[in-house]
Amino acid sequence: DIQMTQSPSSLSASVGDRVTITCRATQSISSHLNWYQRKPGKAPRLLIYAASSLMDGVPSRFSGSGSGTEFTLTISSLQPEDFATYYCQQGYRSPYTFGQGTELEIK
Amino acid sequence: EVQLVESGGGLVQPGGSLRLSCAASGFTFSSYWMSWVRQAPGKGLEWVANIKQDGSENYYVDSVKGRFTISRDNAKNSLNLQMNNLRVEDTAVYYCARDRCSNYGCSYFYYGMGVWGQGTTVTVSS
Repeated sequence: DIQMTQSPSSLSASVGDRVTITCRATQSISSHLNWYQRKPGKAPRLLIYAASSLMDGVPSRFSGSGSGTEFTLTISSLQPEDFATYYCQQGYRSPYTFGQGTELEIK
Repeated sequence: EVQLVESGGGLVQPGGSLRLSCAASGFTFSSYWMSWVRQAPGKGLEWVANIKQDGSENYYVDSVKGRFTISRDNAKNSLNLQMNNLRVEDTAVYYCARDRCSNYGCSYFYYGMGVWGQGTTVTVSS
């Protein structure tokens, strides 16, 4: 199975900060990488698919990049509603494994 | 409104069985691959299984192969997960989700899960 590792596991930041979360795969997955946002008590929300394509309705401050084995999710200017846990997921091959998550907390 | 509603969770002893269901509404259920995803207490998300539109293909994470069976009833807009020989480590909130795949199928390009239910809790404990 393809293993996904996110870094950091947790991150403290302030409103207005630029934040980057990294996701690494144990083998090349081309651009088959998806990002989700998860808030307590809510279902996960798909933010980005195919490494860099934004889902409809997702603010443009979110962006994704990367290919092969290394990917990043960037939030250009943190807003209060962005504090959540973020997960990457590879869509290259079943089982579609997730990273362990990155908890983004308010500083 | 597009909606997925899970049911069937509960408390079961190790070795027992449980059948989860997911009722879909607001979209053409038979047009989509569907998945089950779980989250154990204090852990991250784990993709469990998915099934093709017509039920002819399905895939599982290794840890549930031979114990869980995913199925669907397109006439009833329902997704199911039959869980047998349950283990303590299967304790989790289980979510059904709608897959986003290329027109050639999920094996060609898998674009993630765009619609999720609110989850149903499964607790395996003696």
